Order: sequence, then C-alpha cells, then structure tokens
Amino acid sequence: QQQVKQSPQSLIVQKGGISIINCAYENTAFDYFPWYQQFPGKGPALLIAIRPDVSEKKEGRFTISFNKSAKQFSLHIMDSQPGDSATYFCAADYGQNFVFGPGTRLSVLP
Amino acid sequence: GAGVSQSPRYKVAKRGQDVALRCDPISGHVSLFWYQQALGQGPEFLTYFQNEAQLDKSGLPSDRFFAERPEGSVSTLKIQRTQQEDSAVYLCASSHGVRSYEQYFGPGTRLTVT
Repeated sequence: QQQVKQSPQSLIVQKGGISIINCAYENTAFDYFPWYQQFPGKGPALLIAIRPDVSEKKEGRFTISFNKSAKQFSLHIMDSQPGDSATYFCAADYGQNFVFGPGTRLSVLP
Repeated sequence: GAGVSQSPRYKVAKRGQDVALRCDPISGHVSLFWYQQALGQGPEFLTYFQNEAQLDKSGLPSDRFFAERPEGSVSTLKIQRTQQEDSAVYLCASSHGVRSYEQYFGPGTRLTVT
C-alpha cells in the first residue's frame, strides 16, 4: 500500500514534443505529490508538486494532472528540450517521508 | 542561501569497515531526511529528524545503520561493518517545516563497498 508505481521506465521524445509520465498510488492518506528531476551525479531537484484538492497545476512547461478517484497523477512536459533529458521521479507523501516511484529516464532527441 | 551539502561525495570502503557520511542541511531547516538510492532506482527512506530528535528510523535496513543530529543541524549517517549490499548513493534532504513537504536534496554520497 506504500508503493508508488511509475511508467514508462524509459521515454524517448523528439525536441518540441510532449513528454508524459504516469504514476499511480494506493494509499489514500497521501496528501502531497511532488515530481523530482535528477541529472546523473546530482541529487533530485523539486520540479512541481500538487495536493489532492487540485486537479491540475501548471508551472511553465510542466503540468501535473491529478485524478483523485483513480489515484493517478501524471507529469506533462510541453515543448520538450534536450536539456530536459534526465530521470524523473514521482513521489507521494503523508507527512513523514516521501515514497518515490522507480523513475522514468527521459531522452529528448535534438 | 547555500543548498544541502554532503561529504564525502565518493567513498570506497572495504567490506567490514565502518563509514560516516555527513550532511549539512539548509540553515534553519527543521526537518532532515536520509534516503538510500540504489543504481537505477528511486530513493528509499531511511530515517527522519525533527531538529535533534530522530522521529522515524523505520527505513534503516539493519542495526548496522545509525544516524544522529545532535545539535539539530549537521547530521551523520554511520554504517558499521559495511557489506556489499550497502553500496548505493546516500541522499540527505532537508525541509523548512515539521512535515516533509518541499524537501531539498543534497548531491549524495556514492558508497562503494569492495
């Protein structure tokens, strides 16, 4: 019940395209859902986060869509750029710590 | 201000050696977290401090793992009698409040046990 599932495991997108990463959870006690971006050799960096009382949140090219009834949320990267090539982790939180998904390795081709 | 820093960035230990990993959180951050990240995996929670109090150590994999934050700022994760399965990146994160929202991560310490 503490798991967060994430798909796809890897994703290749052309420059300018839309990257979509999906996550699902079981524990309804989770109340904060962040997305982190990680480059090789670096720690995860917070990209954007959402709470379950909101269905969508947009910051620049990054949008989170949240479906509370389905217990699913997704990250959309619009106009994907080669500099977005990194590993993306979704996470869920219930106040004590984060439970992370296994990650999605995104490659944006020039 | 400065972000979360960790030292050393890389550590090679022979099996059976003890290691100590240091984390300097963002100044003033109340909460501090340690995570373990295996190659190609997401970070997994190890332990949580609120100021100097260790409120959750449920993720520590064995009694060989010990963490402390004696003055409520710098934290040390100690691993005794290291084993090969301890090889991973150890990440430290801090957050301003008493809950774990908006955690800021350090660059991690890559531990290799030979």
